[in-house]
Amino acid sequence: DIVMTQSPDSLAVSLGERATINCKSSQSVLYSSNNKNYLAWYQQKPGQPPKLLINWASTRESGVPDRFSGSGSGTDFTLTISSLQAEDVAVYYCQQYYSTPALTFGGGTKVEIK
Amino acid sequence: QLQLQESGPGLVKPSETLSLTCTVSGGSISSNSYYWGWIRQPPGKGLEWIGSIYYSGSTYYNPSLKSRVTISVDTSKNQFSLKLSSVTAADTAVYYCASQQLVVGYWGQGTLVTVSS
Repeated sequence: DIVMTQSPDSLAVSLGERATINCKSSQSVLYSSNNKNYLAWYQQKPGQPPKLLINWASTRESGVPDRFSGSGSGTDFTLTISSLQAEDVAVYYCQQYYSTPALTFGGGTKVEIK
Repeated sequence: QLQLQESGPGLVKPSETLSLTCTVSGGSISSNSYYWGWIRQPPGKGLEWIGSIYYSGSTYYNPSLKSRVTISVDTSKNQFSLKLSSVTAADTAVYYCASQQLVVGYWGQGTLVTVSS
């Protein structure tokens, strides 16, 4: 199984400041034949199912604000919110789909306003 | 656009079998474009993939739950189902049904299942 480890567990950021979330996989999720990283990021607000923000490690879904960006390759990935807005308060999960349909998620990072 | 809706009992007794159904609308469950899956989330905790089924009937289960899980599909009703046997309090969670095209693109709203006598 590919284990996904996120850090930190939670962080508090002032409005307009940058939030950075890290995700590490226990093995590479970079598929050599197409040079794509099989890594997604989701946002979950209370009482709602997760919402897909980013796939292929750095491709934003349609409608996702450009303050959200993903980076990284292989085993180390980052989700950055460049200028935190009040509506970004949520829990964020990384997820590998290298072994799809078997999926594994990171433990989640709770983002709050400082 | 796909819509998924979970249904089933919200309370299950310990040692019994949890049974949930997901009804898919806005698309055919027989589509070869999707896997149909179940994901759960214990209260205040993270997400755990339970398993998935392809339209052909091929199933894929989380190794940690494999001995207790059965996922099936009913193409005539455009539904797929989850059965989890021998439940304990640790199986108390919000259960989501979902469609996967590599990533999970569509989720149901989730249903809370509590295991308690």
